[in-house]
Amino acid sequence: DAGITQSPRHKVTETGTPVTLRCHQTENHRYMYWYRQDPGHGLRLIHYSYGVKDTDKGEVSDGYSVSRSKTEDFLLTLESATSSQTSVYFCAISGHRDNQPQHFGDGTRLSIL
Amino acid sequence: GENVEQHPSTLSVQEGDSAVIKCTYSDSASNYFPWYKQELGKRPQLIIDIRSNVGEKKDQRIAVTLNKTAKHFSLHITETQPEDSAVYFCAASTNDYKLSFGAGTTVTVRA
Repeated sequence: DAGITQSPRHKVTETGTPVTLRCHQTENHRYMYWYRQDPGHGLRLIHYSYGVKDTDKGEVSDGYSVSRSKTEDFLLTLESATSSQTSVYFCAISGHRDNQPQHFGDGTRLSIL
Repeated sequence: GENVEQHPSTLSVQEGDSAVIKCTYSDSASNYFPWYKQELGKRPQLIIDIRSNVGEKKDQRIAVTLNKTAKHFSLHITETQPEDSAVYFCAASTNDYKLSFGAGTTVTVRA
């Protein structure tokens, strides 16, 4: 298994509160990604990073921000959580060459009440 | 952006039969097509991938075919077993490292 750790694994919080999810990798991979998974939608890219301090938006980035201050850590923040952000969040990593396979972490189940 | 459609959404097969899942993509620049298997409550796991310079790839009971002209690719599972029951996702990517996923196919293998 790829060396990816997501924390927390489960979280329940209230609407309007800030939430930060962490993805930690031990593979020294350049690329890191945050996806959300909802029934009927597959996996949708929120944000991704192609290096320290280098990030870009995915297809569903509204309401989310990210930061990458170290190669091994990629943080996803919901500044003011809404019920529509209830989902399972997956982090993924990939190497530096074109279209290297992405490998996923175990996911974080986030419920916003 | 890229749009990936996946069919069928559910598939039930008898153990030992074959299963086929089909995906179409919209961006002719897409050149990388991975398939992931996700068991209930688990992470998506890469099972096979194909690049646009190859028309077919096989790994034991799993094969993927790609038709660039028609912009579709398919996953074939032969001699299905109960442990093949899972949700399967196709995806497509250009060289920008971003994957666009299909909505998934729930495969059930009946004993």
